[in-house]
Amino acid sequence: GAVVSQHPSWVICKSGTSVKIECRSLDFQATTMFWYRQFPKQSLMLMATSNEGSKATYEQGVEKDKFLINHASLTLSTLTVTSAHPEDSSFYICSAGSIDRVADTQYFGPGTRLTVL
Amino acid sequence: KQEVTQIPAALSVPEGENLVLNCSFTDSAIYNLQWFRQDPGKGLTSLLLIQSSQREQTSGRLNASLDKSSGRSTLYIAASQPGDSATYLCAVLIQGAQKLVFGQGTRLTINP
Repeated sequence: GAVVSQHPSWVICKSGTSVKIECRSLDFQATTMFWYRQFPKQSLMLMATSNEGSKATYEQGVEKDKFLINHASLTLSTLTVTSAHPEDSSFYICSAGSIDRVADTQYFGPGTRLTVL
Repeated sequence: KQEVTQIPAALSVPEGENLVLNCSFTDSAIYNLQWFRQDPGKGLTSLLLIQSSQREQTSGRLNASLDKSSGRSTLYIAASQPGDSATYLCAVLIQGAQKLVFGQGTRLTINP
């Protein structure tokens, strides 16, 4: 149980294009979803927190107009990287939390590798 | 601001040895602490979660301890195996904010 999937697992795009990454909780309802970014050989940095049906809360230094987050249902959150540039190349990982599961536990997706040429 | 530090950054040991990974955090107001494993290019696998009221948790060959007052946690791996090679991350959940703050990780290599 508590499975989180991400799609795609990897994507290569040209500079200036937009890329959408999906995060789904497969067997539970996720009241809160989190998006992290991980640069090579570095740790995970929280980008934003999203609650179903409300606007995402972004961490300091993360551009909300560049990283659009939508959490339209209790099982799906999307991250759209708009006008991607090579410096946006990174590993993006989502996690999901639920009050129906172990309290304050986040379940992590497998990650999406984004490469911007 | 909560900061999490892991020492060492990298560790290489021969198979069969027992080893300890260290994690320290600056603010003791945490809800829990979690240890994860990450294989290259992959997501996170949760290993152990210790609630702030607990002192340790065990799972198989892994034992994690927590000393909240001193801001420290250790992950003990007994009888290491080559399959244990991975990056180990610790993370603390900030009280009231539901935010996980991660350390930089320890890259572990177990040599056959």
